[in-house]
Amino acid sequence: NFMLTQPHSVSESPGKTLTISCTGSGGSIASNYVQWYQQRPGSAPTTVIYEDSQRPSGVPDRFTGSIDSSFNSASLTISGLKPEDEADYYCQSYDGTNQGVFGGGTKVTVL
Amino acid sequence: QLQLQESGPGLVKPSETLSLTCTVSGGSFSSNTYYWGWLRQPPGKGLEWIGSFYYSGSTHYNPSLKSRITLSVDTSKNQFSLKMRSVTVADTAVYYCARQPRTYWFETWGQGTLVTVSS
Repeated sequence: NFMLTQPHSVSESPGKTLTISCTGSGGSIASNYVQWYQQRPGSAPTTVIYEDSQRPSGVPDRFTGSIDSSFNSASLTISGLKPEDEADYYCQSYDGTNQGVFGGGTKVTVL
Repeated sequence: QLQLQESGPGLVKPSETLSLTCTVSGGSFSSNTYYWGWLRQPPGKGLEWIGSFYYSGSTHYNPSLKSRITLSVDTSKNQFSLKMRSVTVADTAVYYCARQPRTYWFETWGQGTLVTVSS
């Protein structure tokens, strides 16, 4: 089974750059698009990246998504960290049979 | 502005059936452009995909839940529904509905509704 693994938590200071990894196992992460969702406490998730690196309208360009096939991983990079970026972030993809798969989520703390 | 709103009982007894409805407003529900899906999040835990359907009738289910779930749609009311049979306390979660421009992307989410399974 295809699975996605994220670090439990990451933290960084305001204004700095932070990267969250999402490592695939049981399949190639490059075979299907990866999405990233931001979930603030008590709220529903919202899309910050879709199709590996695309930003929905309204998402600032401080959010960047990428794929590294050599490490079978995806990354979400947030530059110029702001206090409002503090949230849980989930990566998500699909396996070869249209089954949705989520990573376990990463709690981002802005120190 | 597209909005999705989940509704249904907040408390369900073990072994009974959980029934939720998602009402879509501000967008074209009958368009064959989108998939529509259900997801859930147990308290303090991560997200889990439940299942999705395409307007034409194609459906995809989480294999771990497939035997217990049914997805249906009422286009006249701009609504789609989830039924989950034989629930246990492990099914306690916030349940979300979502619009999917592609099978792989949950673009827009409802605000979620908490369903507690308890006697």
